[in-house]
Order: sequence, then C-alpha cells, then structure tokens
Amino acid sequence: AQSVTQPDIHITVSEGASLELRCNYSYGATPYLFWYVQSPGQGLQLLLKYFSGDTLVQGIKGFEAEFKRSQSSFNLRKPSVHWSDAAEYFCAVGFTGGGNKLTFGTGTQLKVEL
Amino acid sequence: SQTIHQWPATLVQPVGSPLSLECTVEGTSNPNLYWYRQAAGRGLQLLFYSVGIGQISSEVPQNLSASRPQDRQFILSSKKLLLSDSGFYLCAWSVRRGIQETQYFGPGTRLLVL
Repeated sequence: AQSVTQPDIHITVSEGASLELRCNYSYGATPYLFWYVQSPGQGLQLLLKYFSGDTLVQGIKGFEAEFKRSQSSFNLRKPSVHWSDAAEYFCAVGFTGGGNKLTFGTGTQLKVEL
Repeated sequence: SQTIHQWPATLVQPVGSPLSLECTVEGTSNPNLYWYRQAAGRGLQLLFYSVGIGQISSEVPQNLSASRPQDRQFILSSKKLLLSDSGFYLCAWSVRRGIQETQYFGPGTRLLVL
C-alpha cells in the first residue's frame, strides 16, 4: 500500500533562516505530489503541486519543492522564513490510476523564532 | 472564482445524538467532492468521496454516512455519535478531469462529542 512519510514532527527555525521540510513516499506508480499548509483551526491551503515536467516547482509564499524520483522525495524549501510561516505543513501523494485519492503525511509543525 | 463553504464551524454534541455537517461549493460544476477527518496529531483520513449526485464511495467502515443531494452539496451524517467521532472534518473539491486532480479544501468543522 502507498504511504507518505514526513519524518519531522516538529521543526523550529529562526526568522530569516532557510527551511527544508522532508517528504518521502512509497508508491509503485508515477506519483503526483502536493504540499499544503494549515494554520491553527483552518482548512488546508495549497502551496504547490507537481504533476510532470520540471522537477523543481515554485509555489505561493516563496516556497519551492523538488521532486527526486531516485530518492522518492518531494522536499519543501524556502530560502528565508517569515514569522507568518509558522503553521503545519502536509505532504500529499496521488498516482495515476489511484482514482484521484490522495494519501497524506502526518504533517510537520513549523515554529518560527523571532 | 470557486469557493467552498462548511458549516457549522464548531459543534459540540452529546454521545448518541445525530450529526449533519454541510459542505457547498460555488463557482464550478460537476466537481468531485471529498470528506476527510483529521484527528489530533495525525494526518488526514479520507472518509468519503463523490463523483456525482447520489454517487458516494466510502473509504473506511465507520459510524458516519455521506450524501450528495445536489451537484455542489455534500453532507456528512451520523444517526448516533460516538466519542471517537470527535475531530476536525474537512470537505474538499476538485475539478473532474479523471487524472491528476488538485483538491481544494474548505475551512473545516471542529466536532467535539462529549
């Protein structure tokens, strides 16, 4: 069965520092990948997505992610974190033939120190 | 542009009482619709999805049911709530393309069963 792993439950970074959130997946087919962000008590907002093509994708709020097929990873990055980026981040994976169902990771809680 | 609404935003219900959560989408036609539950410290679990009026697929056996009486309306129900039904319920929609669909989430309903 497919699975998505976000190995870091909590991450704390200083404002202005760079950020990388990890996401690994286990799939037998070609995946398509998403990162969502959730502020406390809110729904999920789409940050970026990868379907095909260029493996480095740009998203909103200055985020980017790189798909590495050889490592089964889709890590999220931001060069300079802002205090407003504090939230929970979810990686999600689907695959063609999977009936448009997504499998979500358990999330990474980001704390930003001023 | 498309918007998705969920209500109520928060609900406190006694064990054994019925439940009805509503989700509506505006600005699109024939969407795929999804109900997820998010338990504390866990990722999102897909409960139901629908590809059309009256077409509901259940992902996990549970105390809940879903209905889609209109194209852009999705309802989550229970006849008798259990303590374990507490959680954050998220509705999502996607444009029906058949493959590689992007899901967009509503603001969520927080349910506390006492």
